[in-house]
Amino acid sequence: AQTVTQSQPEMSVQEAETVTLSCTYDTSESDYYLFWYKQPPSRQMILVIRQEAYKQQNATENRFSVNFQKAAKSFSLKISDSQLGDAAMYFCAYRSAVYSGGGADGLTFGKGTHLIIQP
Amino acid sequence: DAGVTQSPTHLIKTRGQQVTLRCSPKSGHDTVSWYQQALGQGPQFIFQYYEEEERQRGNFPDRFSGHQFPNYSSELNVNALLLGDSALYLCASSLRIGTARQETQYFGPGTRLLVL
Repeated sequence: AQTVTQSQPEMSVQEAETVTLSCTYDTSESDYYLFWYKQPPSRQMILVIRQEAYKQQNATENRFSVNFQKAAKSFSLKISDSQLGDAAMYFCAYRSAVYSGGGADGLTFGKGTHLIIQP
Repeated sequence: DAGVTQSPTHLIKTRGQQVTLRCSPKSGHDTVSWYQQALGQGPQFIFQYYEEEERQRGNFPDRFSGHQFPNYSSELNVNALLLGDSALYLCASSLRIGTARQETQYFGPGTRLLVL
């Protein structure tokens, strides 16, 4: 079974600064997807960024970028120019890309990192 | 473009009762997955429905069951409620491409269930 570990329960950053959230995962598969989701106090889980394991290029979405190290099984999220609206719980998630019988796997989530933005 | 919707938003039940939660997928999506998120934890996968059948299941007992309708909407049923079933229940929808891969899962706002 796959596991996802987020070792930082809480991170704090000054507004406009850069912060990096860590995520490591364990899998024996070679083809998979990795995601970062954001969950603000409203509870809505919002997709931040997605990375396909077969792609060497790191994904970017505006101020959000990842550092994907496949050999190290590491998938960190960098948030540049932090804004107050970035305050939320951030979850790293894994999903197999292997077709397993009836369907693809559900997402496996880490425990999350609470990001605080200091004004 | 309507996103994923869930109802109700909040629910209070007592131990031993049964509950039904509902989910309508994002327009154009055909696959629905359900997750349980306990307080302070990441979501845990319950099961996934596609073509009105349960396709994949996480480590949850048979008290958790579901259904998918021809319009792709879905229900999650939990029987014989326990105090430990208190959690946020999230529904996510996606589009199955061919038979091998799914696109990204998009989540609804969740249903907060409290079991007393």
